[in-house]
Amino acid sequence: DGGITQSPKYLFRKEGQNVTLSCEQNLNHDAMYWYRQDPGQGLRLIYYSQIVNDFQKGDIAEGYSVSREKKESFPLTVTSAQKNPTAFYLCASSIARTGRSNQPQHFGDGTRLSIL
Amino acid sequence: AQSVAQPEDQVNVAEGNPLTVKCTYSVSGNPYLFWYVQYPNRGLQFLLKYITGDNLVKGSYGFEAEFNKSQTSFHLKKPSALVSDSALYFCAVSPFSSGSARQLTFGSGTQLTVLP
Repeated sequence: DGGITQSPKYLFRKEGQNVTLSCEQNLNHDAMYWYRQDPGQGLRLIYYSQIVNDFQKGDIAEGYSVSREKKESFPLTVTSAQKNPTAFYLCASSIARTGRSNQPQHFGDGTRLSIL
Repeated sequence: AQSVAQPEDQVNVAEGNPLTVKCTYSVSGNPYLFWYVQYPNRGLQFLLKYITGDNLVKGSYGFEAEFNKSQTSFHLKKPSALVSDSALYFCAVSPFSSGSARQLTFGSGTQLTVLP
């Protein structure tokens, strides 16, 4: 089945530690996204990428970093600079060719990050 | 800048009754509008979208939504609610564009509870 796989499902971070969240898709989608979800705030865009080796900051990129070395993979690193990392992190993908911005985004099942 | 408002944090409805989850939006030009549903500790699932044409859009699981351009609204509806419809619902908007992958904005979500 085609879809998006996020791992791990639960992750704990110690003070001063960087942690990396994995996101893999086999939908052959061009674009990938990372969102942060906090209770009562909906989804906020952290980073997005439209093609391999290119990515753009979203609304809340500070304290996060990404890479896009392969079309299928878009890992997110939560750095020690992110002072309030506890949240539910969602990865998504979509078709992103010109004229196709009306296509829905497909989501993984998320990673819940907590502070030890 | 575009925005989405979901004025009700919580909606309760009895099983078998009709349900409505409200959404209003603000965007430059014509909008693309989406509804997603989220079950606990899961990602978002696409329900339906409005691109153009008929103002009444039908989607998955018996849901439908009515686009009203004059009121800038896109309310989600279902004629007869099921207990299994209980979940968190998100409205999202994207402007009609040439294909940018960046421009989807989500509302803060509405928790729907269907009472048996």
